[in-house]
This record gives sequence, structure tokens and C-alpha cells, in this order.
Amino acid sequence: GEDVEQSLFLSVREGDSSVINCTYTDSSSTYLYWYKQEPGAGLQLLTYIFSNMDMKQDQRLTVLLNKKDKHLSLRIADTQTGDSAIYFCAVDNTDKLIFGTGTRLQVFP
Amino acid sequence: NAGVTQTPKFQVLKTGQSMTLQCAQDMNHEYMSWYRQDPGMGLRLIHYSVGAGITDQGEVPNGYNVSRSTTEDFPLRLLSAAPSQTSVYFCASSTLAVYEQYFGPGTRLTVT
Repeated sequence: GEDVEQSLFLSVREGDSSVINCTYTDSSSTYLYWYKQEPGAGLQLLTYIFSNMDMKQDQRLTVLLNKKDKHLSLRIADTQTGDSAIYFCAVDNTDKLIFGTGTRLQVFP
Repeated sequence: NAGVTQTPKFQVLKTGQSMTLQCAQDMNHEYMSWYRQDPGMGLRLIHYSVGAGITDQGEVPNGYNVSRSTTEDFPLRLLSAAPSQTSVYFCASSTLAVYEQYFGPGTRLTVT
């Protein structure tokens, strides 16, 4: 079945850029998503990208999609302490969303 | 709009007990789903529904039942709780056009 992988941890200094990476195995996904989970809360959709796009920018967020390598990334510019959370990538697969394991982003001053 | 609501927020069960986790949404979404979240394993899909009267199994359906008698409600039943079902459970809903899923706040379940 579909496999979605992420590194578990990322630590960055406040004001720097963060890049969270994701790889997936199924190339037939139509949309690819990034979700954010703050402590004790459910997941919140940050952004998504259609599979025929290479890049999508939304304020401080930039999503890059490399379909050939099946690689998705989320760049957060000017990272703030409020960005500390777990970030999940997800890909659609028939009627389902398949989630990665999540990357815990820690922002230090 | 309340969005997606889940009850209870916390629950402790003994092995062998049964219970129902409630999920409701007021956005008229066709698609609803249940996930469990365990440390280091991301979210795994338990069951999902593409409309009232239609349900299907996800990745980890064993030990759980669902039904979808209305568009708004999608309860998850644990038939005979086991310690392996200790987890955080999330319900989510979306339209069918894009799986831009809206998540509930979660139910933290402990089975002793």
C-alpha cells in the first residue's frame, strides 16, 4: 500500500527558515496536503497542492512538489515560536488520506 | 458552525468493556472518517464513509464498528476494548471534491 515517510524531528532558530520533507510511494495521488497539530489539539489543514503543480506559495508557506522523485516539502519562512507543532504530510489514495508519521518542529530563540 | 465535535474528550475503560465514541459535523460534508493516533505512527485510518448508509474499512478496522445513518453523525463503536486500543481518536469530515479534512478535537482513550 501507500507509504508516506517523514523525519521525526526538526529544530530551528527563531527567524530562520524551516524545511520539512516528505516522501511517498504512490504517484497517482491527486492532491497532497500539509497539516499542523498543536499540543492537545486536532489537525488543522495548512495548505495543499494539486499534483500537476510544482510549487504553491501562501504567505510564509511554500510547498514544493517533485513528482519524479515523489518528494514533497514545506518551507516556513521567518519561523516563529508559534510555529512549534507537529507537521503531517498526507496524500490522497482512492477514498482515503494516507498520513506520514509527522515531524515535530521545535523553534528556539 | 461548530465544525466537527467529538465526545467524550477523555475515557478510561476496562478490558472487555464496550463503548461508542460520538462524532458530529454541521458542514453537510459527505465524507467522514475515524483515525487513531499513536506515538511515532502518524494517523491511521480506521473506517470511513462517503455518505449516509455507506461505510468502508480503512487500514486498522479490527475491533471497531461504524454506521452512518445520517449525514451529520458517524459514531465509532469499540466492541470489546483491549489495551492495544489505547490511543487518541480523531474524527474528520470533508467534501468529496477535495479531501480537505476538518478534524475534531480528539478523544483520548485508555484501556486498562
